[in-house]
Amino acid sequence: DTAVSQTPKYLVTQMGNDKSIKCEQNLGHDTMYWYKQDSKKFLKIMFSYNNKELIINETVPNRFSPKSPDKAHLNLHINSLELGDSAVYFCASSQVRNGGYTFGSGTRLTVV
Amino acid sequence: AQSVTQPDIHITVSEGASLELRCNYSYGATPYLFWYVQSPGQGLQLLLKYFSGDTLVQGIKGFEAEFKRSQSSFNLRKPSVHWSDAAEYFCAVGARDTGNQFYFGTGTSLTVIP
Repeated sequence: DTAVSQTPKYLVTQMGNDKSIKCEQNLGHDTMYWYKQDSKKFLKIMFSYNNKELIINETVPNRFSPKSPDKAHLNLHINSLELGDSAVYFCASSQVRNGGYTFGSGTRLTVV
Repeated sequence: AQSVTQPDIHITVSEGASLELRCNYSYGATPYLFWYVQSPGQGLQLLLKYFSGDTLVQGIKGFEAEFKRSQSSFNLRKPSVHWSDAAEYFCAVGARDTGNQFYFGTGTSLTVIP
């Protein structure tokens, strides 16, 4: 199936741990994104990569580090997890010329 | 700066009734406009989009939206709501010169009563 897939779907971890969320798209899109959705459903962009190059890096703690090994993958690594990091993280991709995002199904991160 | 406002946090409609969800945006040039739907525990699904041309756009699931430049609005409509339409709806604005970054509204939660 053509899609944006992210793993894991659920992630429960203790404060202070380091964790990664993986994202892959097989749509041939050239831009990928990470969005954070808080408990009030507000969606805020974190990062955007175009052809493996970082093009958007919003005000995000440097504990968050994106890694794009190729244009089909954009992983999110989080160091020293804090309670406030609990949220749903969405990966998305787009073909810049056409606009419109295709979203992954989200990763619900709970920090305890 | 770009921004999107969805004035209605929560709307309740009866099944079979018509629906209009409001969206206002702030953007200097002609924006790209989108509506997404998020069912509980799910990701966001694109309902429809406006880039240029006809200001009335048709989407999936019987939804349509109308771009009104003079009002900076892009309201979503459906003539007859089904119980399965209960979800969170997000309006978004974007443009190529922002690196295709989208700005999302805060969402409108739709409840459908039988």
